[in-house]
This record gives sequence, structure tokens and C-alpha cells, in this order.
Amino acid sequence: AQTVTQSQPEMSVQEAETVTLSCTYDTSESDYYLFWYKQPPSRQMILVIRQEAYKQQNATENRFSVNFQKAAKSFSLKISDSQLGDAAMYFCAYGSGGSEKLVFGKGTKLTVNP
Amino acid sequence: DAGVIQSPRHEVTEMGQEVTLRCKPISGHNSLFWYRQTMMRGLELLIYFNNNVPIDDSGMPEDRFSAKMPNASFSTLKIQPSEPRDSAVYFCASRAQGAGEKLFFGSGTQLSVL
Repeated sequence: AQTVTQSQPEMSVQEAETVTLSCTYDTSESDYYLFWYKQPPSRQMILVIRQEAYKQQNATENRFSVNFQKAAKSFSLKISDSQLGDAAMYFCAYGSGGSEKLVFGKGTKLTVNP
Repeated sequence: DAGVIQSPRHEVTEMGQEVTLRCKPISGHNSLFWYRQTMMRGLELLIYFNNNVPIDDSGMPEDRFSAKMPNASFSTLKIQPSEPRDSAVYFCASRAQGAGEKLFFGSGTQLSVL
């Protein structure tokens, strides 16, 4: 079974600084997708960024980028120029291309200090 | 597009009572997921459906939990009888067919079993 591990329960960063959230996953599949979702205190789940496993190029979305290391099964999220609104729970997720099952890690709580 | 609609938003019940959570996915979405979120376990996948058919219910904790999707526009998650350890936020989410597609979440149901 696929598993997703986020080893950092909590992280903090100063406003305008850069922070990296870690995620590793375990799979034997070659066809899959990886996601980062953000959950602010409102409880709403928001897609931050998505990566297809077959693409070598790391995905970027404005201040958010990923470091996808396929061989190491690592998928970290980098947030540049952190803003107060980035404070939230961040969930890494694995999407199976075969079964279409989507599994989440336990999350990392990010605090942004002014 | 009204998004994924869940009801109720909050539910408080007593141990032993039956609880039914409801979900209306986004029209046209083929896949529907039920997740449970707790501090200890994060976001757990309970069950998911493709084209109204349950594909994987291995995450359903025990026989007290059941889920149905009688048609493409409605799904229920039932707990009978409920127990205090079932207290959590339950999310329903839907997406178009395809493992790489964005998952759209409802606002969740906060369940408290006393």
C-alpha cells in the first residue's frame, strides 16, 4: 500500500523568509501524481501545487515550488517570501495512476512569524 | 458551480445514536472520496467511489461505518452505533476522472459524539 510521510509536525518561518516542508512516499508504481494541499484555519482544503511523476521538471506556482526526487521518493515544498497568509496546515498527497486512490500525509503545521 | 456540498456542518450526538453525513459532489465529477481528519491520525481515506461504485473501502474503521452512493449526485456516510472515538471532521471530496485531477473538498462535518 502507498504511504505518505511528513516528518515535520510543525514548522515556523519568519515573514519574507523561505521555508521547506518535507514529504516522502512509498510506492512501487511508476504512474502517479503528487500534490500539496493547504488547510487554513477555515478548514477549507486548497490545492497548492501538483507534480506528475513522469515529468522531471519541478512544478512551480508563483512563490511555491517543489523539489521532486523520484529515486529518493521525496517531494518537498518550498515557500519563498513567506507571507502571514501562508500560515496553515500543509498536506502532501499521493495519487495512484492505477487505482486513482488519493492518500494524504499527516500534515505539517506552518506558523509564519511577523 | 456550488462546489461540493456537505451537511450538516456540525453534528453533536450521544453515544449509540445513528449518524448520517451527506454529500453532494460537483456535477460531472466521476470520483468521490470520504476522509476523516483527526489531530492524531491526520487525513485518513475511508472509502472512495468511481462512477458510483465503491472501489476501495479498506479505510473504513469497522462495520459500524457504511457508505453509499445511490446516484452521481449524492452520497452518505453512516455510523451506527456511534462512539466517542468517532469524533472528528469528516470531509467529502470529488474530482473528475483521472488520478492527476484536482480534488475539490467540501467544508466538512464536525462530528462530536458525547
